[in-house]
Amino acid sequence: KAGVTQTPRYLIKTRGQQVTLSCSPISGHRSVSWYQQTPGQGLQFLFEYFSETQRNKGNFPGRFSGRQFSNSRSEMNVSTLELGDSALYLCASSPGQLGADTQYFGPGTRLTVL
Amino acid sequence: AQSVTQLGSHVSVSEGALVLLRCNYSSSVPPYLFWYVQYPNQGLQLLLKYTSAATLVKGINGFEAEFKKSETSFHLTKPSAHMSDAAEYFCAVSEVGNKLVFGAGTILRVKS
Repeated sequence: KAGVTQTPRYLIKTRGQQVTLSCSPISGHRSVSWYQQTPGQGLQFLFEYFSETQRNKGNFPGRFSGRQFSNSRSEMNVSTLELGDSALYLCASSPGQLGADTQYFGPGTRLTVL
Repeated sequence: AQSVTQLGSHVSVSEGALVLLRCNYSSSVPPYLFWYVQYPNQGLQLLLKYTSAATLVKGINGFEAEFKKSETSFHLTKPSAHMSDAAEYFCAVSEVGNKLVFGAGTILRVKS
């Protein structure tokens, strides 16, 4: 099976702009989660989508949003970018069970905000 | 809320030596625990996971971890380090749903 794919791999934006990141999960996986990784804050959970519905949400401002399509692909949007949004954004997919699900991570999208 | 503490942000071992990366968790319920590895400019790769089936969990690349409830620990070990093991390692606990709470990570350096 193909792994989790994320596009684009690298992105440079300026403050105030908005950005959309895309994630294609492993075939058959219905859950997609997003994480932000920064040197200062480490790995932080953004949100999880399952069957096109947000099932869980982390402590991020409303500028961070996401959605999931019927084919389980997911997008994440960040509006009004700030310098602090520079990070590696990781997407993870899993079959969709709760608790013991193994999450498989994509290579990430490196976002730089200037 | 659950939390994970990884002792030692950097660990250095000689090639062939024992690798021990420490992880302690806080959880009010039996947890699901994971170890992931991250190589530079890559995503996270699962090494192993604990789901209460057995306290000693064997993973890929010769790694294993032992769940000790009394110590709330889930330390990662490998008997003999290889140069290719140099990477950053993350311990994580599964919280509500599929939300993973990660430790701060430990960078493993392997000296030749």
